[in-house]
Amino acid sequence: DGGITQSPKYLFRKEGQNVTLSCEQNLNHDAMYWYRQDPGQGLRLIYYSQIVNDFQKGDIAEGYSVSREKKESFPLTVTSAQKNPTAFYLCASSPPGLAGLIYEQYFGPGTRLTVT
Amino acid sequence: SQQGEEDPQALSIQEGENATMNCSYKTSINNLQWYRQNSGRGLVHLILIRSNEREKHSGRLRVTLDTSKKSSSLLITASRAADTASYFCATAPYSSASKIIFGSGTRLSIRP
Repeated sequence: DGGITQSPKYLFRKEGQNVTLSCEQNLNHDAMYWYRQDPGQGLRLIYYSQIVNDFQKGDIAEGYSVSREKKESFPLTVTSAQKNPTAFYLCASSPPGLAGLIYEQYFGPGTRLTVT
Repeated sequence: SQQGEEDPQALSIQEGENATMNCSYKTSINNLQWYRQNSGRGLVHLILIRSNEREKHSGRLRVTLDTSKKSSSLLITASRAADTASYFCATAPYSSASKIIFGSGTRLSIRP
């Protein structure tokens, strides 16, 4: 059963704590992405990775960190430096396209993070 | 950076009616995609249209693309209650082929 899994579905943390969100895919996709979604808003790109051991900052990378040690896994750490971390976090992957062009993305179910 | 802007922000129609959502974008693109998101869930890819295409169909979905006006529309015909969701356009700009940029979405409600 192929797809993207994110865990946990809901996550609660105290302010000042780092927290790591899991994202795993068994679609054999090279590219993986992390997005943040605030209520009633679209998706904003945090980080993306086109290949193992390589990743790039997206539009809102400050206060976040990632690693890509395995093709299947792209965990996101929300650090205490992130000013407003409460949000819905979505992970996605994408099959390779011609010349690195992106076609459709496949999304996980998301993790809702609440920091108090 | 928000490349795409959907219009309207919210739409409520009667079941069986057609729903039309529009998307405008700013820079030249390789392709434009539409996604659906049910409340509290991940996004699901609906349809992709390339920059050299003008119209594409998939089941009850019809997408048009006008690159001269930098705009696209998504038409859902014969709407059903299950179509209630948020719909997002996403563009793959020429300037950054390795990522796509999502708009702010249209919230569609289908009244029974």
